[in-house]
Amino acid sequence: NAGVTQTPKFRVLKTGQSMTLLCAQDMNHEYMYWYRQDPGMGLRLIHYSVGEGTTAKGEVPDGYNVSRLKKQNFLLGLESAAPSQTSVYFCASSYSPPWGVYNEQFFGPGTRLTVL
Amino acid sequence: KQEVTQIPAALSVPEGENLVLNCSFTDSAIYNLQWFRQDPGKGLTSLLLIQSSQREQTSGRLNASLDKSSGRSTLYIAASQPGDSATYLCAVRPEGNYGGSQGNLIFGKGTKLSVKP
Repeated sequence: NAGVTQTPKFRVLKTGQSMTLLCAQDMNHEYMYWYRQDPGMGLRLIHYSVGEGTTAKGEVPDGYNVSRLKKQNFLLGLESAAPSQTSVYFCASSYSPPWGVYNEQFFGPGTRLTVL
Repeated sequence: KQEVTQIPAALSVPEGENLVLNCSFTDSAIYNLQWFRQDPGKGLTSLLLIQSSQREQTSGRLNASLDKSSGRSTLYIAASQPGDSATYLCAVRPEGNYGGSQGNLIFGKGTKLSVKP
């Protein structure tokens, strides 16, 4: 099992450009998440999904869109990148729902994005 | 507002020492607390998850405790090794719809551990 994988590992964008980050999991998990990690801020939830075809907003959703067309994939899109979106982006998945008592999340290796 | 604090921010110990990492949270209404390890340039690895009804969990040389009423958790690492060097993060799952989202996992900023040979 590869677990949770993310593509690409690194990316540099210019302000205003768009891109899509891909997250894939092979654990048949129903629930998937996108986080961003900034120095001194800790990880913060951007969007999450409770199943194929569903998405929901997290703590910091502005400037991002997501899609979950297939159960195993969760895409994070930036339509018009801004320097404030420079960050490390982590995808995670879980077998149990986020509101459950036993919700253990498994993380991917991250994508380091720089917006100039 | 739920806030998670980890003290110390950095810790350096000699190999073989037993050590304790601390995590505190401001709101005791949580479903669970999870400890992660993050290696430089890598993702997060889940170490232990403690449900709100539990007092502790153990995995190998790691033992995590939870005192929900006082808003504290500790991660105890026995007989530390250089391979334990990493940043350790704790995160809590708030009850209910926190910040407009049921999906939120609230993270601390981590403790960077260095174990010297």
